[in-house]
Amino acid sequence: EVQMEESGGDLVHPGGSLRLSCVASGFTFSSSWMSWVRQTPGKGLEWVANIKEDGSEKYYVDSVKGRFIISRDNAENSLYLQMNSLRVEDTAVYYCSRTGTKSDFWGQGTLVTVSS
Amino acid sequence: DIQMTQSPSTLSASVGDTVIITCRASQDVKNWLAWYQQKPGKAPKLLIFKTSNLESGVPSRFSGSGSGTEFTLTITSLQPDDFATYYCQQYNSYSIYTFGPGTKVDMK
Repeated sequence: EVQMEESGGDLVHPGGSLRLSCVASGFTFSSSWMSWVRQTPGKGLEWVANIKEDGSEKYYVDSVKGRFIISRDNAENSLYLQMNSLRVEDTAVYYCSRTGTKSDFWGQGTLVTVSS
Repeated sequence: DIQMTQSPSTLSASVGDTVIITCRASQDVKNWLAWYQQKPGKAPKLLIFKTSNLESGVPSRFSGSGSGTEFTLTITSLQPDDFATYYCQQYNSYSIYTFGPGTKVDMK
């Protein structure tokens, strides 16, 4: 059974930092592209970042470039999102997903709230 | 960057209806187009990938078609469980993905 569990969401002040984690099981994590996708409360989905199987390629939506860093630890079946210089508009539920030719597995999300 | 639009933004329908949702891309995405269903408080669920491929376990009343810049999701004989929001997503490369703004299917 595939399981993906995000953690690390919290309330943080603007300008602050947060690190999200996603632990996966039930599929070959080290052979999978992985993504972070976010959803502002009551709004639509926004792809945030992708990382290749071996971590050698990383891509970001323009709004987070230079502030967020996606990484992974294949030995721990874990995906991370380091979020720096957080803004109010980064407030969202953040999902991790297995991606590539299709985004078929998703976690249940972790809430990040950026507010003063 | 590739922009995605969906129409309509909201669709009111009844059980048994056939529902068609359209997704348009600002550039050719070949057939790299997926559809997701999302219910409140839940993660998105993959329905269709690569334009017309039904994800395992998804009922056959869901189907996808299109190519290039215009795509459709069709739900035949709408069921009570199908009232939800539907998103298209392009993934023309592994690098940059884009979601459409969503189409909410609610009860007439």
